[in-house]
Amino acid sequence: AQKITQTQPGMFVQEKEAVTLDCTYDTSDQSYGLFWYKQPSSGEMIFLIYQGSYDEQNATEGRYSLNFQKARKSANLVISASQLGDSAMYFCAMRGRGAQKLVFGQGTRLTINP
Amino acid sequence: DGGITQSPKYLFRKEGQNVTLSCEQNLNHDAMYWYRQDPGQGLRLIYYSQIVNDFQKGDIAEGYSVSREKKESFPLTVTSAQKNPTAFYLCASSMGGSGYTFGSGTRLTVV
Repeated sequence: AQKITQTQPGMFVQEKEAVTLDCTYDTSDQSYGLFWYKQPSSGEMIFLIYQGSYDEQNATEGRYSLNFQKARKSANLVISASQLGDSAMYFCAMRGRGAQKLVFGQGTRLTINP
Repeated sequence: DGGITQSPKYLFRKEGQNVTLSCEQNLNHDAMYWYRQDPGQGLRLIYYSQIVNDFQKGDIAEGYSVSREKKESFPLTVTSAQKNPTAFYLCASSMGGSGYTFGSGTRLTVV
């Protein structure tokens, strides 16, 4: 079984600063995928970034990057130059080998202060 | 544009009633999922379906039922057996687990 742990219930960051959202995972699978989603107050889930367990380089998508440390089973999301519009809930999720369902963490509420 | 449509956006249920949440996708995705989200919490899997006419229970299936008669549609029924149905419900679809598309959700409230 897969498990995702997000230990930061809430974070407050000044605009334009970089922010790191923590995510650790537990799985016995050798092949798996890690996802980050953003959920604004409207409720929609917005895909941000994906990292495969066999990807040698850390994934990047614009201002988002994933700090993937496989040995530590961690997949932290880094947002560079934060903006007011980044204020939202952020979820880390995992898909195990042979399974199509996503398992989610509890989420981190990020607030960007002007 | 391809995507997932969930309806209604808001739904009110009286005690003892069954209600059905609609989820339709035009992405030609094989797999579809239903998740429940409680305030300030993560998403928990209710049911999922990988092919037409087949579905599996997720982690919190009790009090819910689904059908998958068409590839495009995966309706969720919240039955009277679900004692605490007030929550935000999200439908998603994927093709081979490589990417997931979510609907905009249905907020269900018991009155």
